[in-house]
Amino acid sequence: AQKVTQAQTEISVVEKEDVTLDCVYETRDTTYYLFWYKQPPSGELVFLIRRNSFDEQNEISGRYSWNFQKSTSSFNFTITASQVVDSAVYFCVDSNYQLIWGAGTKLIIKP
Amino acid sequence: DGGITQSPKYLFRKEGQNVTLSCEQNLNHDAMYWYRQDPGQGLRLIYYSQIVNDFQKGDIAEGYSVSREKKESFPLTVTSAQKNPTAFYLCASTPGGTDTQYFGPGTRLTVL
Repeated sequence: AQKVTQAQTEISVVEKEDVTLDCVYETRDTTYYLFWYKQPPSGELVFLIRRNSFDEQNEISGRYSWNFQKSTSSFNFTITASQVVDSAVYFCVDSNYQLIWGAGTKLIIKP
Repeated sequence: DGGITQSPKYLFRKEGQNVTLSCEQNLNHDAMYWYRQDPGQGLRLIYYSQIVNDFQKGDIAEGYSVSREKKESFPLTVTSAQKNPTAFYLCASTPGGTDTQYFGPGTRLTVL
């Protein structure tokens, strides 16, 4: 079965540091989609980004950036100049008609 | 405002009782999903429905039941057959296929 690996269970950094969350996926399909979601302590899942398998361009959105590399089956997420409000669990997700969720990385930003 | 609502936010039930969790969306989305999340874990798919009056089992459907009589509503019943029902339950919807799923605020169910 396909799976998504987020090897970092928990990361703790001091505010204003940059932090990268790793994601490795195992899809065997030609066409697939990858997502990142954020889950703050309130529990609600917040959509961050969706990329399809044909678009390997890196993307930057404010302090967030994503590095998609098909050659290594990775879709890493970087937060620049982290803030306390970035503290949350971040999930990497693979999709082929159903979502396949990674276990999540808990990010703690200390003031 | 458009969105997905789940109620209640917290739910307590005695062991052996069935309980129904509500999920309503006014986004006009065709597909709806139910997930279960246990502490420190990712999400696991319980049931999904791509159109009204049709639904499919996900990875952990045993002990759960659903209905999809209206496009905007997808209630989940946690039956007494579910061995460990205490968990956080999330409902999601999407226009369809591999489109982005959007989530409700979740219901935290505790069975005493």
